[in-house]
Amino acid sequence: EAGVAQSPRYKIIEKRQSVAFWCNPISGHATLYWYQQILGQGPKLLIQFQNNGVVDDSQLPKDRFSAERLKGVDSTLKIQPAKLEDSAVYLCASSLTTGYNEQFFGPGTRLTVL
Amino acid sequence: GENVEQHPSTLSVQEGDSAVIKCTYSDSASNYFPWYKQELGKGSQLIIDIRSNVGEKKDQRIAVTLNKTAKHFSLHITETQPEDSAVYFCAARSNAGKSTFGDGTTLTVKP
Repeated sequence: EAGVAQSPRYKIIEKRQSVAFWCNPISGHATLYWYQQILGQGPKLLIQFQNNGVVDDSQLPKDRFSAERLKGVDSTLKIQPAKLEDSAVYLCASSLTTGYNEQFFGPGTRLTVL
Repeated sequence: GENVEQHPSTLSVQEGDSAVIKCTYSDSASNYFPWYKQELGKGSQLIIDIRSNVGEKKDQRIAVTLNKTAKHFSLHITETQPEDSAVYFCAARSNAGKSTFGDGTTLTVKP
């Protein structure tokens, strides 16, 4: 089966610019996660969707980050405006549902903010 | 919230030796503990997991142990091979599906 797809793989922008990332989860997976992974650290959950509803966005910096999953399938994560400290790898993951189900990770988007 | 600490941050072993990575967690409500292997340019891959009602689980050369009382769990890799070289992450997950990750261990297996 096809894995989690993400694009772009790399993005370089200047601070105060905007950027958007796209994720296509594994077909049939109801739960979708966006993580931020700063170099040398583990992934940190930004937002979790169950179908097209938000389950947890407690660690999403809502003044600049937004995410949507309109039809319960694809998702986009946006940063506007970007700051230097947003430089990180943004990982998308999906699972059949919550609980003990395995999370499948995409390859990530490496964002560099100059 | 949940806090997961992972040690060591780097580990170097000779091929054929064993490697052990340890994690501690803070939230006693966490009930699922997966381990992921992250290789450069690839997505993180689940290599083994354990539920809170089990003390140990083994899959070929990989095993995980869980001590709920002490709130720590460990990854054991025996007979290490160069292809085991990667970054390994532990995580603790609540019933709602929220995972908190450790900061990773870079394992290097020298041939």
